[in-house]
Amino acid sequence: AQRVTQPEKLLSVFKGAPVELKCNYSYSGSPELFWYVQYSRQRLQLLLRHISRESIKGFTADLNKGETSFHLKKPFAQEEDSAMYYCALGNAGNMLTFGGGTRLMVKP
Amino acid sequence: NAGVMQNPRHLVRRRGQEARLRCSPMKGHSHVYWYRQLPEEGLKFMVYLQKENIIDESGMPKERFSAEFPKEGPSILRIQQVVRGDSAAYFCASSPPAGGNYNEQFFGPGTRLTVL
Repeated sequence: AQRVTQPEKLLSVFKGAPVELKCNYSYSGSPELFWYVQYSRQRLQLLLRHISRESIKGFTADLNKGETSFHLKKPFAQEEDSAMYYCALGNAGNMLTFGGGTRLMVKP
Repeated sequence: NAGVMQNPRHLVRRRGQEARLRCSPMKGHSHVYWYRQLPEEGLKFMVYLQKENIIDESGMPKERFSAEFPKEGPSILRIQQVVRGDSAAYFCASSPPAGGNYNEQFFGPGTRLTVL
């Protein structure tokens, strides 16, 4: 069975501080991992996917198969990064399994 | 392209009534997914449909819940004889026809169902 765990429900940091949102997964196959973000009053949208290996809005995430993790990082948080972040695992059947989400609050 | 549309945005039902949630995918998308988000929890997969076909319904409760995506018109998630535990946000997502690799899913704004 596939499972995604985001251990922190809430993460609060000051503007300019580094951010790391943790995500661990379990999956027997070859995983496809994603981070989705939901800003206040907006719909859920894709932030980044591991196969792209890109940086979006300063965020990066590296897939670590040994630790089965896909943590989301940003060196300097901005107030506009405040949102709900969901880690998700995609399978061959195109289904997404979501973690419980982490609310990031960036304080001025 | 208006994106994935869901209606109604808010739906209130009394116990025992039926709830019908509608989802219009993005133009050109033939795959629809429904997810449920209970309070304080993440989104949980319910069902994956293509036009006139249910591809994967492994996340659907065995009773009272059904989904369809007809040849014409929106996808419908139907909940019969609603109970208080059905109160949740229901999200629909759509994606283009699969091309081998995983396709990005685009989400609608959700329908918040409240059962009194």
